[in-house]
Amino acid sequence: DVKVTQSSRYLVKRTGEKVFLECVQDMDHENMFWYRQDPGLGLRLIYFSYDVKMKEKGDIPEGYSVSREKKERFSLILESASTNQTSMYLCASTLGGAGTEAFFGQGTRLTVV
Amino acid sequence: ELKVEQNPLFLSMQEGKNYTIYCNYSTTSDRLYWYRQDPGKSLESLFVLLSNGAVKQEGRLMASLDTKARLSTLHITAAVHDLSATYFCAVVRSGGATNKLIFGTGTLLAVQP
Repeated sequence: DVKVTQSSRYLVKRTGEKVFLECVQDMDHENMFWYRQDPGLGLRLIYFSYDVKMKEKGDIPEGYSVSREKKERFSLILESASTNQTSMYLCASTLGGAGTEAFFGQGTRLTVV
Repeated sequence: ELKVEQNPLFLSMQEGKNYTIYCNYSTTSDRLYWYRQDPGKSLESLFVLLSNGAVKQEGRLMASLDTKARLSTLHITAAVHDLSATYFCAVVRSGGATNKLIFGTGTLLAVQP
């Protein structure tokens, strides 16, 4: 079974802090994604990576950056957390090419106070 | 730009009743997914629909796809409490370095005894 693991289930951070959300997958998937989930808005794509050190912006990248130094690990970085970044963050991975079924981590509930 | 709309956003049903969730998308796509999310949990893949007229069924859930109308439906037959969850449709957006999944807003289903 594919396993996608996010490092924290719950995080509380202060405004202005630098925040790291970590995601690891164990199935050698090429692609990894970060989404945020908000009520009534569904899941919105923040950033994705299609290879080590390769990344592209999704639909809502402002205020975020990412890092992929190893194939299995994809980090989401909030350079200076703000209260409007309070959300549920979900990491996903997919096999490259036509296999786009996404496997999700358990989510990180981030609260910025 | 690919947009995915689901309705309704919230659905309260009685056990034993039938209902349908609708997923409309704005540009052509070659596949559509349905996911389920239980409270506090991650997303679980239910169905993938690959072609016009595709129909998939699992238990009390049946999903169909009409690519000409850019519409997918998730039909619930004789609802039971265990089906209470949030249901998302997701459409593949091709182009760029890799395919991405674009999600609908989600439908929160509450099945009442």
